[in-house]
Amino acid sequence: GQNIDQPTEMTATEGAIVQINCTYQTSGFNGLFWYQQHAGEAPTFLSYNVLDGLEEKGRFSSFLSRSKGYSYLLLKELQMKDSASYLCAVRDDSGYSTLTFGKGTMLLVSP
Amino acid sequence: DGGITQSPKYLFRKEGQNVTLSCEQNLNHDAMYWYRQDPGQGLRLIYYSQIVNDFQKGDIAEGYSVSREKKESFPLTVTSAQKNPTAFYLCASSRGTYNEQFFGPGTRLTVL
Repeated sequence: GQNIDQPTEMTATEGAIVQINCTYQTSGFNGLFWYQQHAGEAPTFLSYNVLDGLEEKGRFSSFLSRSKGYSYLLLKELQMKDSASYLCAVRDDSGYSTLTFGKGTMLLVSP
Repeated sequence: DGGITQSPKYLFRKEGQNVTLSCEQNLNHDAMYWYRQDPGQGLRLIYYSQIVNDFQKGDIAEGYSVSREKKESFPLTVTSAQKNPTAFYLCASSRGTYNEQFFGPGTRLTVL
């Protein structure tokens, strides 16, 4: 099975940088996804890591260390619209490759 | 416009009634999924399907049923056997099981 841990809530100020951590313990691993979800809306895909290292995409970056079972999502130049829940999801290495989601980290960006 | 549609956005039912939630996609994706989300909880997988006429139980399939008769459609039935059906239900699809999943807008089901 999979066990995924993320902080429940975080707060940050507009224009700042914030790092959201995700740790996982899995019986098999084949990639890690980050999704953003605004309240009452569908999650939207942000990033994907399958190899160790940093993936950068505009203001958002995601890092993975498979040996440590650890990932983080880095958000730069925070904007008010970044206030949302950020979901970490791990894909297993079975033939079906399903995702297991963490409970999400609620980020509140204040002026 | 390509995408995933779920209807209705809000649904109310009386306890003991079965209810079917629709999910349609025109992305030509092979794989489709149903998740349930409760307040303060992550998404939990109910059922998934990799190809037409085939589907697999997820982590919390009890009290739910699905069908996959067409590639575009993956309806979910919440039966009266589901003990706590009030939740936010999300449908997703992906080109294959190794690709990112795209989500529909969700249906919020309230059982009174």
